[in-house]
Amino acid sequence: EVHLVESGGGLVQPGGSLRLSCAGSGFTFSSYEMNWVRQAPGKGLEWVSYISGAGYTIYYADSVKGRFTISRDNAQNSLFLQLNSLRVDDTAIYYCAREGANDYTNYGLDYWGQGTLVTVSS
Amino acid sequence: SYELTQPPSVSVSPGQTARITCSGDALPKKYAYWYQQKSGQAPVLVIYEDTKRPSGIPGRFSGSSSGTMATLTLSGAQVDDEADYYCYSADANGDHRVFGGGTKLTVL
Repeated sequence: EVHLVESGGGLVQPGGSLRLSCAGSGFTFSSYEMNWVRQAPGKGLEWVSYISGAGYTIYYADSVKGRFTISRDNAQNSLFLQLNSLRVDDTAIYYCAREGANDYTNYGLDYWGQGTLVTVSS
Repeated sequence: SYELTQPPSVSVSPGQTARITCSGDALPKKYAYWYQQKSGQAPVLVIYEDTKRPSGIPGRFSGSSSGTMATLTLSGAQVDDEADYYCYSADANGDHRVFGGGTKLTVL
């Protein structure tokens, strides 16, 4: 069974940094593209970042480009998001999500973790 | 930046058909995906590649796409279908993914 478990959230002051982790299990982690998605309190979903299976292709939302860094360690079945220069409006639940795809079909973000809460406040 | 536009809310009575739309300029070239999110829970994929339904998703959920608009249809909506629904797609270059603003479905 596929499982994604995020960790690393917490309270941080504006301008601070945080590193989020996502542990994957139940599937061949290196074969799947991964994404981070966030949701501010009471707001909608916002796509944050994408990384290919080998880690060579990376995309960011404009709102986080230059401040956040996505990475992965396939040997450890782990996905990361380094959050720097945090702002109050980065406060959100951060979800990691697997992108299921093969040569013929893209299943979209087919499995999600339960999320980790990041609160940016002084 | 690229945007997907959804109505903020849709209301139907139980057993009626609910339709939630999603408009975006790149939808003629890019697939739409639909997610259901119930309060306090992670999103769940209900439609992929415009029209396909993942295993375990009830048959009353269907999707379609024409031109710049994708549509999620719930035929015979149930009270248990009350949730926020989000469309998801990519811009024309494929390097920016985006969610629609979400639609709150009320069934009562």
